[in-house]
Amino acid sequence: GENVEQHPSTLSVQEGDSAVIKCTYSDSASNYFPWYKQELGKRPQLIIDIRSNVGEKKDQRIAVTLNKTAKHFSLHITETQPEDSAVYFCAARGGANNLFFGTGTRLTVIP
Amino acid sequence: GAVVSQHPSRVICKSGTSVKIECRSLDFQATTMFWYRQFPKQSLMLMATSNEGSKATYEQGVEKDKFLINHASLTLSTLTVTSAHPEDSSFYICSARESSTGINQPQHFGDGTRLSIL
Repeated sequence: GENVEQHPSTLSVQEGDSAVIKCTYSDSASNYFPWYKQELGKRPQLIIDIRSNVGEKKDQRIAVTLNKTAKHFSLHITETQPEDSAVYFCAARGGANNLFFGTGTRLTVIP
Repeated sequence: GAVVSQHPSRVICKSGTSVKIECRSLDFQATTMFWYRQFPKQSLMLMATSNEGSKATYEQGVEKDKFLINHASLTLSTLTVTSAHPEDSSFYICSARESSTGINQPQHFGDGTRLSIL
């Protein structure tokens, strides 16, 4: 099955700086890669996703890049704000058609 | 946007009780729903995939007799934790994927159910 690795597990940045979270996956058949933001005790919320037919996608301060050859994808948050503080999960949907999640990154934006 | 409703949000009950959790897609049809379990400060672990009109597919290590799943309609899936014990205490989250045509539809999550077994 799919194996998704995510790092770093924790990340602290100063407000206004950029944050980058990286994930790798194992199943070359995976073709859909969403990112979720989860605040404490709340549901994971889809913030951005990318499909395997594109290499980059951007939505305001959030961008995601995908390198299919290397089987890794990254989340980039620019101009970070305190409200960006949360746990972020990457995921990959593989041949089994299920989402497999990374282990999460706890992002703290320091005002 | 797509909304997934899950309830109850919190359950506290005695050991041996069976607990039923409902997951509804409110504004879209979902032929497939997913049930996850999340331990504190850990990732989401897929327990089973719920398919409308057919038996659920369970992940390795998940007891299907312990975690009964029913997906009776295109908008409702239920998870019943049978004869719950303290080790079943966890945060359970359902998720639904839009059934519209095309590949790789987004997957949306419910608010989760925090289950505490005394």
